[in-house]
Amino acid sequence: GAGVSQTPSNKVTEKGKYVELRCDPISGHTALYWYRQSLGQGPEFLIYFQGTGAADDSGLPNDRFFAVRPEGSVSTLKIQRTERGDSAVYLCASSPRGGGAGTEAFFGQGTRLTVV
Amino acid sequence: SQQGEEDPQALSIQEGENATMNCSYKTSINNLQWYRQNSGRGLVHLILIRSNEREKHSGRLRVTLDTSKKSSSLLITASRAADTASYFCATETESGGYQKVTFGTGTKLQVIP
Repeated sequence: GAGVSQTPSNKVTEKGKYVELRCDPISGHTALYWYRQSLGQGPEFLIYFQGTGAADDSGLPNDRFFAVRPEGSVSTLKIQRTERGDSAVYLCASSPRGGGAGTEAFFGQGTRLTVV
Repeated sequence: SQQGEEDPQALSIQEGENATMNCSYKTSINNLQWYRQNSGRGLVHLILIRSNEREKHSGRLRVTLDTSKKSSSLLITASRAADTASYFCATETESGGYQKVTFGTGTKLQVIP
């Protein structure tokens, strides 16, 4: 596709449920990032993939959060036992390469997750 | 965690005026980028300035970087109503062999027609 695609655009789930958020990066982009953004805040880094591997997952808040990118393209962010505090917009970005200074990241429109 | 802090948090100006936003950060960086966000959704890359550069221009945008003060500014000249958005600085730092991008808290700009 022309840009980074995230699905669903909105997700409402009950506390305690499991959710999956999907990101389709721009074709050929090896680097993929997940961020979380709460209302009135800047995007908060969660995890970075270079190819299939998670090069940096230091931003994942706890073990309820997990992300995969099995074929080096599509990525899924998985949240178990959701809590109301998980409510936020989850943003995905991709770039042609992660290393090498000054690579622009292209963002998707985000998934707005609401835990009720 | 957020590396950068924007100032002011919110800015309201009349169309045609210039808008200046500042960003301060904490650790040494390789590059700094500015992004724009409409309505709390996807971010759009505006401009990048490298750590060895002091000033950069792109259209109506002017970015400065002072690494000694760990600060950057974004100037939008001759603002338009369509410039209304949130603006974020993002710093690139070396982390485990890749460039980690960390965003600031953002400035919410309103341009009044």
